Amino acid sequence: QKEVEQDPGPLSVPEGAIVSLNCTYSNSAFQYFMWYRQYSRKGPELLMYTYSSGNKEDGRFTAQVDKSSKYISLFIRDSQPSDSATYLCAMGYGGSQGNLIFGKGTKLSVKP
Amino acid sequence: SAVISQKPSRDICQRGTSLTIQCQVDSQVTMMFWYRQQPGQSLTLIATANQGSEATYESGFVIDKFPISRPNLTFSTLTVSNMSPEDSSIYLCSVEMGAAFFGQGTRLTVV
Repeated sequence: QKEVEQDPGPLSVPEGAIVSLNCTYSNSAFQYFMWYRQYSRKGPELLMYTYSSGNKEDGRFTAQVDKSSKYISLFIRDSQPSDSATYLCAMGYGGSQGNLIFGKGTKLSVKP
Repeated sequence: SAVISQKPSRDICQRGTSLTIQCQVDSQVTMMFWYRQQPGQSLTLIATANQGSEATYESGFVIDKFPISRPNLTFSTLTVSNMSPEDSSIYLCSVEMGAAFFGQGTRLTVV
């Protein structure tokens, strides 16, 4: 079993839809959780970063962490064609926030 | 965040040769990281590079294959040595500044 599991999709939704992206993990030692967005031929861009269980909101994006279930989610409200990208979840523990375990990424397409 | 510049952005190399990838950051950082992103796979950490010390390699990666330099707090290089087609990947530089930030990557194709 991989440490971080993420459904690779692809996921196609109409513009304006609410998108739910999910990852599960097996290592209860993970302390921080990130979501990255990666456009084609670009590097990953940090979207959301959280330490604790619960919700964190930033504009149209909400990150949710449930440590008891070892499950994290990213919700995108009012999705736009510009949200079309691959979304990567990442997790880490210990003193370094740069040493991360990534999911494989979910490819999202938002159709106008 | 930080501005992270990687060179080259892409290259096509012959098998058996080596390629050195450069990573420049616009501010001083203690820790820099090198990741590999193989087609259809997760980003995988190759090594952590601290200035003034030997790089720390993850399981499955060795210094002879991926030598790393970290001469100062804003710069690092990763060399992919004696390349084979299996080394065709995107190589990404990352820095830690409260969270991990990434460069644009180097897309390497080995023929």
